[in-house]
Amino acid sequence: DAGVIQSPRHEVTEMGQEVTLRCKPISGHNSLFWYRQTMMRGLELLIYFNNNVPIDDSGMPEDRFSAKMPNASFSTLKIQPSEPRDSAVYFCASSYRTSQETQYFGPGTRLLVL
Amino acid sequence: DAKTTQPTSMDCAEGRAANLPCNHSTISGNEYVYWYRQIHSQGPQYIIHGLKNNETNEMASLIITEDRKSSTLILPHATLRDTAVYYCIVRVAATSGSARQLTFGSGTQLTVLP
Repeated sequence: DAGVIQSPRHEVTEMGQEVTLRCKPISGHNSLFWYRQTMMRGLELLIYFNNNVPIDDSGMPEDRFSAKMPNASFSTLKIQPSEPRDSAVYFCASSYRTSQETQYFGPGTRLLVL
Repeated sequence: DAKTTQPTSMDCAEGRAANLPCNHSTISGNEYVYWYRQIHSQGPQYIIHGLKNNETNEMASLIITEDRKSSTLILPHATLRDTAVYYCIVRVAATSGSARQLTFGSGTQLTVLP
């Protein structure tokens, strides 16, 4: 099992540019979560999907952030336009929805917006 | 979900048991106790969870007090690779049709000393 796969692992971009982060969940998992981690705010949930449908996006900072899950094996998190305050590590996690599901996290994407 | 309180940091000698406490005095009857850890520069990793009975797996043991207001994660023989931030999370089990996100606090930085 390859685990949750995220790409790119590192991204450096300039303010105003579009950034797309990608995630491939574990095969067979039907829930997918996007988290962001910063020193100031710790780990915080941005959005999560069940069966490819967004369930709760209340953690998405603002309209510059959008997430999609076109199928069970792929999700993207897009930031357009990016700002320096978006610099963080972005984690994707997946789980199989049961009453006690555990979440499996990917290695994260380190984003630096200059 | 109930709030948790953990010490900011702890040290443990290599080979000795590491006992990480967590206070969750407002826990409800249907809330589980989950433990995750995050090794530096990696994504969070699931360790163990429980409702009211003590639990043990290949990684750790979870001891939950009878009143369920606190718990202790035990790493029986800590190694240098166990140095990480350990998160105690209290969360209601997911209901049918909906996964549940994890809400991470500040956690405990465990440092295993040689």
